[in-house]
This record gives sequence, C-alpha cells and structure tokens, in this order.
Amino acid sequence: ETGVTQTPRHLVMGMTNKKSLKCEQHLGHNAMYWYKQSAKKPLELMFVYSLEERVENNSVPSRFSPECPNSSHLFLHLHTLQPEDSALYLCASSQEGRESYYGYTFGSGTRLTVV
Amino acid sequence: GQNIDQPTEMTATEGAIVQINCTYQTSGFNGLFWYQQHAGEAPTFLSYNVLDGLEEKGRFSSFLSRSKGYSYLLLKELQMKDSASYLCAVRDNDSWGKLQFGAGTQVVVTP
Repeated sequence: ETGVTQTPRHLVMGMTNKKSLKCEQHLGHNAMYWYKQSAKKPLELMFVYSLEERVENNSVPSRFSPECPNSSHLFLHLHTLQPEDSALYLCASSQEGRESYYGYTFGSGTRLTVV
Repeated sequence: GQNIDQPTEMTATEGAIVQINCTYQTSGFNGLFWYQQHAGEAPTFLSYNVLDGLEEKGRFSSFLSRSKGYSYLLLKELQMKDSASYLCAVRDNDSWGKLQFGAGTQVVVTP
C-alpha cells in the first residue's frame, strides 16, 4: 500500500465515548500532522510530529490526545468530545528538513460526528 | 503567523478560464502551494512556487509575486471534473516546513 491511509473514514460517537483515529504513511516521510477541517474555514493545524517527537501543539483541548509510536503511524485519541468537534480530521506527512516540492501528502480524512 | 485570503466561491462555464487569487501576509515564507480537494476526498498537490513568476503545468498555471504577497491559480479549458475546492497554502520557514492554509475557493463548473 502507498500514500497516507486514514481509518475509519466515518465515525459517529457520543460525547462520553472514547475512540481513536489512525493514520499510516508508506512514503518514508519523517514528519506527520493532524489538521481539523470545518466547513468554510481554513485547515487548522492541531499537532506536528517530527522524528516521532511532538514539536507543535496548537492550543488544542486536552480531549484530543495524539500519539506517534513510530515514523509511520500517528493516532488521535478522542474522549468526552463536544458537538463542535464534529469535522473532517486530516492526517498528512512530509519529509522534514528538505525543500520539499510537494509539501504534504494527505490522507482522505475521517469524518467525525459527535452526537 | 500567516494570514491567507482567497475568495469563497467562483462559478464558470465548461471550456472557460478561471483565475483564483490568493493574498498572504507572513512572518516567514518558504514557498506557496496550491491543492485541489474534491468533496469527501484528500487534498492533492497541484503546484508549488517559491520564486517569482509563472509555473505552467498543462491546463493549470500558478503565479507568485513575493513582494506583493500575491499568487493566483489559473485553470484553463475548464472541465466538469474541475469542480472542487482549491486551497492556497504558504510554507513557513521553520525547520519542518509547516503549511498554513487559506479557507479554500469552491469552483463550480457549469455546462
């Protein structure tokens, strides 16, 4: 398999549930990102992992908890979410430290609905 | 930080040309990207500009003026499949090349 794969594609969860989003990249990249995409708004950067170390956390509420066990896998653990957290969550990867011509490679996203 | 502005929506007819403008105000700049995103799908890379001027790739071209903080994406010979959101993104000059995105321009191609 190639590219960036995200699972699940769709997720409906209650506000008291705990769930996890998974992202896997097969490109040999060493940086991975979580973005939130809400309707009519710019993509919001949530977390950046470079060489498996979290290098940025953009004031994201603690109900979102990222995990990067190795350079190919990235998780976003979710608990006690709010309805306003409903959005498309996009994972991306890139090669750090190089003038990348392509920027990011994105996954297809997880459409999250909090009820 | 970055402030990136692009129009919300544009409509054009099949076969026509559409130009999507993007203006940005940055604290650092290391390149500008355009991505295409169809509904429910991943954004996909279209073009990259880091020096001033025009980059042409088939029906799509992208222009950059760093002094004006301005770019445009030109779509020629529009096809129905070009109906999508087009995202302008500026890369920061930090070590991992973080991208900051505009809200996207929804292009609607009509018959």
